[in-house]
Amino acid sequence: DQQVKQNSPSLSVQEGRISILNCDYTNSMFDYFLWYKKYPAEGPTFLISISSIKDKNEDGRFTVFLNKSAKHLSLHIVPSQPGDSAVYFCAASATGRRALTFGSGTRLQVQP
Amino acid sequence: EPEVTQTPSHQVTQMGQEVILRCVPISNHLYFYWYRQILGQKVEFLVSFYNNEISEKSEIFDDQFSVERPDGSNFTLKIRSTKLEDSAMYFCASSEWDEEQFFGPGTRLTVL
Repeated sequence: DQQVKQNSPSLSVQEGRISILNCDYTNSMFDYFLWYKKYPAEGPTFLISISSIKDKNEDGRFTVFLNKSAKHLSLHIVPSQPGDSAVYFCAASATGRRALTFGSGTRLQVQP
Repeated sequence: EPEVTQTPSHQVTQMGQEVILRCVPISNHLYFYWYRQILGQKVEFLVSFYNNEISEKSEIFDDQFSVERPDGSNFTLKIRSTKLEDSAMYFCASSEWDEEQFFGPGTRLTVL
């Protein structure tokens, strides 16, 4: 099941710089997208979401961009902090459904 | 801050045995979910529950699985006869309405 793809398994950035995490999807029925952060031995923690009627949503240091024509979304973290080091999951749900389809995750490491 | 809790954190069982995983969702939430993550794989949706009935389930959620809200606070996942391939992290989640889902810390199920 490759409906939600995160092609970069890992990303390393310097503290203070921008982190850009990418996600692609194939199911055109997806209309709600979320990013979760996960630390080892913990459950996913909700970060930010975006509906398909928008192309951008911002919350503090986190911004999600949605490009519907390309079926692509990205999460920008500015500035990156060492505490942001975690695995980031992209997830999506389809119209009228609540089941989330997750990507495989990207491990972000922010170097001090 | 309200959070989803899960017990036990780790459950070890013999193949063929029944297990019950327990969750306490956030108190004012209306929707409840179970997901699982097999080691090295994606987080996968199992089932959603609303108004005391299953609202959605995946192909994984076969007759071996059942869910219940036995009282006003607990939400349980029962696996009737566990198989080796049921070994995974099981995450409970809840949501208030048509919004982001909040996850618990997970229960690691090991089937021997």
